[in-house]
Amino acid sequence: DAGVTQSPTHLIKTRGQQVTLRCSPISGHKSVSWYQQVLGQGPQFIFQYYEKEERGRGNFPDRFSARQFPNYSSELNVNALLLGDSALYLCASTPIAGRGETQYFGPGTRLLVL
Amino acid sequence: AQKITQTQPGMFVQEKEAVTLDCTYDTSDPSYGLFWYKQPSSGEMIFLIYQGSYDQQNATEGRYSLNFQKARKSANLVISASQLGDSAMYFCAMRPDQTGANNLFFGTGTRLTVIP
Repeated sequence: DAGVTQSPTHLIKTRGQQVTLRCSPISGHKSVSWYQQVLGQGPQFIFQYYEKEERGRGNFPDRFSARQFPNYSSELNVNALLLGDSALYLCASTPIAGRGETQYFGPGTRLLVL
Repeated sequence: AQKITQTQPGMFVQEKEAVTLDCTYDTSDPSYGLFWYKQPSSGEMIFLIYQGSYDQQNATEGRYSLNFQKARKSANLVISASQLGDSAMYFCAMRPDQTGANNLFFGTGTRLTVIP
């Protein structure tokens, strides 16, 4: 079975632009979470979605938004990009949104903001 | 608030030897899960091992074992018989069970280098 997939793999944007990142969960998984990993740090939680509803939000500004589609894939949108948004964006999926679920990560999207 | 501390920015180990990567955590939640992930240079976070806060025995998965000391709030990863392919970043993470979301809190990671 295919793992979590993300697109694009790399992206270069300039300050003030908007970006959309995409994630497809493991087949049968209904929950998707997004993380931001700045160089030299561990990942930081941005959002969790389950059955198309937001189940959790980390400490990120409103420039960050996300949604989940009926097929459980997800998009992360970032508006008005800042240099500090340059990071590896990771998507993770779980079968449900329950506490006992292990998150399985995709390969990430590397975003560079110039 | 949740906090994960990994005090070893980098570690070296001889091939075929065992190595311990340290992790301490701080949480006020009575129930939580502890995880270790491996991140090669490709970027993908690979799940290694899980320990529940109420589990009586230390978790093991093949060459990986988790030395869980609840009173000391530590969850060290032990890798036995190191292989060259073990060279990567290793992250300790915690998921508090009280929150509605299934989000993980990560440490800053330890870079492990296996020497031939």
